[in-house]
Amino acid sequence: KAGVTQTPRYLIKTRGQQVTLSCSPISGHRSVSWYQQTPGQGLQFLFEYFSETQRNKGNFPGRFSGRQFSNSRSEMNVSTLELGDSALYLCASSLASDNTEAFFGQGTRLTVV
Amino acid sequence: KQEVTQIPAALSVPEGENLVLNCSFTDSAIYNLQWFRQDPGKGLTSLLLIQSSQREQTSGRLNASLDKSSGRSTLYIAASQPGDSATYLCAAPSNTGNQFYFGTGTSLTVIP
Repeated sequence: KAGVTQTPRYLIKTRGQQVTLSCSPISGHRSVSWYQQTPGQGLQFLFEYFSETQRNKGNFPGRFSGRQFSNSRSEMNVSTLELGDSALYLCASSLASDNTEAFFGQGTRLTVV
Repeated sequence: KQEVTQIPAALSVPEGENLVLNCSFTDSAIYNLQWFRQDPGKGLTSLLLIQSSQREQTSGRLNASLDKSSGRSTLYIAASQPGDSATYLCAAPSNTGNQFYFGTGTSLTVIP
């Protein structure tokens, strides 16, 4: 059974650009969550999607957005990139409800220069 | 808001030693608690999920316990090996969905 797949694995972008990251959850999983990991702040929740609807949102500016497609694949977009957006972005996949195990992908390492 | 704390922040032990990692959380109304392992630059690997109705969960050399009333969980690693070297994170969910609050992790080094 394939795990959570995130693409691309590495990205280098220039300040002011925008970027789109992709996450394919485990087959049959309908919940996808996104997290940002930095050395200073640790793991911080961005948002969660379930059946194409955003169910929860963390405390991030509106430059961070996401969506989920009917096949449960999710994308997150960051516009007007800032140097501080450099981080490892992790996607987590869960079966459905609030009480199930979360499985993470390998992450996308974004570097903003 | 849930707050999760892990101690110690770093731990270095000789191979073969048994060890305990600690996790505390402030909101005891949790559905479950999950332990993860993270290797440098990699994603998170799920180790154990403990449901709120359980007190312990075991997988191989790993044993995790959960005490909701005291807001604590421990991860016990038996007979540690150099391959166990990694950062260990615990995560407690919010009560409104699949949002996890993570501790800052314990960086474990097992010396051969």
